[in-house]
Amino acid sequence: DTGVSQDPRHKITKRGQNVTFRCDPISEHNRLYWYRQTLGQGPEFLTYFQNEAQLEKSRLLSDRFSAERPKGSFSTLEIQRTEQGDSAMYLCASSLLGITGELFFGEGSRLTVL
Amino acid sequence: QKEVEQNSGPLSVPEGAIASLNCTYSDRGSQSFFWYRQYSGKSPELIMFIYSNGDKEDGRFTAQLNKASQYVSLLIRDSQPSDSATYLCAVTSYGKLTFGQGTILTVHP
Repeated sequence: DTGVSQDPRHKITKRGQNVTFRCDPISEHNRLYWYRQTLGQGPEFLTYFQNEAQLEKSRLLSDRFSAERPKGSFSTLEIQRTEQGDSAMYLCASSLLGITGELFFGEGSRLTVL
Repeated sequence: QKEVEQNSGPLSVPEGAIASLNCTYSDRGSQSFFWYRQYSGKSPELIMFIYSNGDKEDGRFTAQLNKASQYVSLLIRDSQPSDSATYLCAVTSYGKLTFGQGTILTVHP
């Protein structure tokens, strides 16, 4: 399978715990994006990388959120001290440089904070 | 004002009818416009993109763009029950893709 893969698919955690999600993009794609989606809403932009460089992070994103893409391959999204409001589907997507907007999404990681 | 706004739904059309989905955007500098389809419980998938004013047709789908009015639309002709999904309008701005809230479309037999 050469699509975008995300792990874990589901995560249930208690408030205050840290969680980490992993995304493996399509191998030849330079750009990697993280979005968050809640029920009834469109995906909300969190951050994106071009190779290993993080080019933009949403102003709405709390300091509890951090993302990395070491070596420009897979990426991780960590949420520290989770809150119930963090419960959402976290979507990763990748694209080729120069073809902004044509994103290929993974299946998502669903987070439930109790 | 939201960056990307879609017409409120849900939208219900009979099988075989034309479904019309609308979207407006706030950033006049936006260059590229996209329609994604998201089935329930699945991730978004790209179905159409348009860069220039006018119409672009792909099978039963037609995207329309009017940059002066900051308006994008998607027409689905001969709607099928399999078209039932949430349709997301998205706009590129400064390298990132911003989505609208989506419009739920139901095509009933």
